Amino acid sequence: EAGVVQSPRYKIIEKKQPVAFWCNPISGHNTLYWYRQNLGQGPELLIRYENEEAVDDSQLPKDRFSAERLKGVDSTLKIQPAELGDSAVYLCASSVSGTRRSETQYFGPGTRLLVL
Amino acid sequence: GESVGLHLPTLSVQEGDNSIINCAYSNSASDYFIWYKQESGKGPQFIIDIRSNMDKRQGQRVTVLLNKTVKHLSLQIAATQPGDSAVYFCAEKMGGTALIFGKGTTLSVSS
Repeated sequence: EAGVVQSPRYKIIEKKQPVAFWCNPISGHNTLYWYRQNLGQGPELLIRYENEEAVDDSQLPKDRFSAERLKGVDSTLKIQPAELGDSAVYLCASSVSGTRRSETQYFGPGTRLLVL
Repeated sequence: GESVGLHLPTLSVQEGDNSIINCAYSNSASDYFIWYKQESGKGPQFIIDIRSNMDKRQGQRVTVLLNKTVKHLSLQIAATQPGDSAVYFCAEKMGGTALIFGKGTTLSVSS
């Protein structure tokens, strides 16, 4: 079974530029998460989707961050404009909701963003 | 502040030794706990989980212990191998809320 796929794996941009990340969850996983992980820290949730609906976006900086999951499968996370402090690893995870195992989130490899 | 923390940022062991990684959590209402392993340049990898109605759960070479009285979680790795070297995160969850991760413990295994 293929795991969570993310692209690109690395991205270097100048501040004030836009950037987008893409995630393809594990097949059949209806819950999708975007996390941000700063160096030396644990992941922090940005947004959680149940199918197409964003059910928890309380930690998403909505002035510059946006996300979508139009068909309930793939998702994109966008930053516009990027700031120096956005440099981090952006992780996507997925899980199956509505089951006893729904808490288990499986992570992708992440996109490493460096803003110069 | 963080609701999940780890006692030690680093742990160094010899190959073949047993490793114990500790985690303290602050939310007594948390009902699900999980350990992840993260190798350099990779995303967190699921190791083992435990629900609050259990005290112990065993996997292959790993055991998770939950002490709700003192809000403590530990991960035991038997016969630690060089491939176990990574950062280990514990995380907690309450109901339908998001996972909250701690800062991680870096495990270094020397041959």
